[in-house]
Amino acid sequence: DTGVSQDPRHKITKRGQNVTFRCDPISEHNRLYWYRQTLGQGPEFLTYFQNEAQLEKSRLLSDRFSAERPKGSFSTLEIQRTEQGDSAMYLCASRQGSMNSPLHFGNGTRLTVT
Amino acid sequence: RKEVEQDPGPFNVPEGATVAFNCTYSNSASQSFFWYRQDCRKEPKLLMSVYSSGNEDGRFTAQLNRASQYISLLIRDSKLSDSATYLCAVNAPTGGFKTIFGAGTRLFVKA
Repeated sequence: DTGVSQDPRHKITKRGQNVTFRCDPISEHNRLYWYRQTLGQGPEFLTYFQNEAQLEKSRLLSDRFSAERPKGSFSTLEIQRTEQGDSAMYLCASRQGSMNSPLHFGNGTRLTVT
Repeated sequence: RKEVEQDPGPFNVPEGATVAFNCTYSNSASQSFFWYRQDCRKEPKLLMSVYSSGNEDGRFTAQLNRASQYISLLIRDSKLSDSATYLCAVNAPTGGFKTIFGAGTRLFVKA
């Protein structure tokens, strides 16, 4: 399977704990995106990498959120001191460099903060 | 105002019906346009790109009106399997062409 993969699929954590999610994009895609989606809403942009460089962060991404893509391949998204409002589906997507190319999404990580 | 706005759902239609979804975007410099389909608790998947001249893929037709900043999706001869959420998406002209999504329109096709 050469699609975008995310791990874990589900994560249940207690408020205040730290969590980390991983995304492996399609290998030839140099652009990687993180989105968050809550019930009844479309995916909301969080951050974007071109190769290893993080080029944009949404205002939605508070200081508790950090993302990395150290070697320009897989990426991690960490949430520190989780809050109940962080409960959502976290989606990773990748695409080729052309501005006309669509996103390819992974299955997502569903986070529940209790 | 949201950057991408869609018709509020849900749409409930019988099998065989024709249904149209509308979407507007606020940034006139937007470059690329898409419709994605999302099944319940699954990731979005590309349904079709939207081209200026309009394009068709089987029972699906997408139209773009740049002057009105309006995108549409027409589904003919609806099938039960078309039941899903349809997301309108626009590539912003800055920030690595990040894709901005509408909230989605839920479609229920009933027998």
